[in-house]
Amino acid sequence: DTEVTQTPKHLVMGMTNKKSLKCEQHMGHRAMYWYKQKAKKPPELMFVYSYEKLSINESVPSRFSPECPNSSLLNLHLHALQPEDSALYLCASSQTTVNIRNTEAFFGQGTRLTVV
Amino acid sequence: EDKVVQSPLSLVVHEGDTVTLNCSYEVTNFRSLLWYKQEKKAPTFLFMLTSSGIEKKSGRLSSILDKKELFSILNITATQTGDSAIYLCAVPLNTGNQFYFGTGTSLTVIP
Repeated sequence: DTEVTQTPKHLVMGMTNKKSLKCEQHMGHRAMYWYKQKAKKPPELMFVYSYEKLSINESVPSRFSPECPNSSLLNLHLHALQPEDSALYLCASSQTTVNIRNTEAFFGQGTRLTVV
Repeated sequence: EDKVVQSPLSLVVHEGDTVTLNCSYEVTNFRSLLWYKQEKKAPTFLFMLTSSGIEKKSGRLSSILDKKELFSILNITATQTGDSAIYLCAVPLNTGNQFYFGTGTSLTVIP
């Protein structure tokens, strides 16, 4: 099983709403990532969790709040987003983090987020 | 500053053609380079390359790494419409524990 599952697939939210994106993997991976991808651009890193601890926060605004309840789950809590936050949000996992050894990342199908 | 640049940015070919996509990199402490195919949503993993000159092959796709000249190529032979996608290369960076993506090449295969 090399599957990373993300829900929901699509999300439309107002600027005052609070919503959460969910990500799950059962490959025993200990590193999980949130990436943001705008149209016609490559994915850009937002957060990295390594062994359920937040490892990297790439200067992401506080209206995005990650959470890693356990080694299989990753959430991204959204609050007071702006229209420019509309994008494809991708979750990924890898066996371990890249500073430990060579590994590949597996991506979920993404959540297409539209902020109105 | 770490850089990963892909060329061309976009490519339109006819079915049956062979294409070569390029990924050039300048990163500190290089360890590996990965290729992904992205159709509608999820990037799907194609290859991981760690050693120079050793070709990785999967069906009509193959890839090779040149660590002296700092680039990798992805070849697709006998292209099909199903090969239409964005092809991304990524380099793991120790600083940030991340997979750092190149600009991508958009490939369109016309019947």
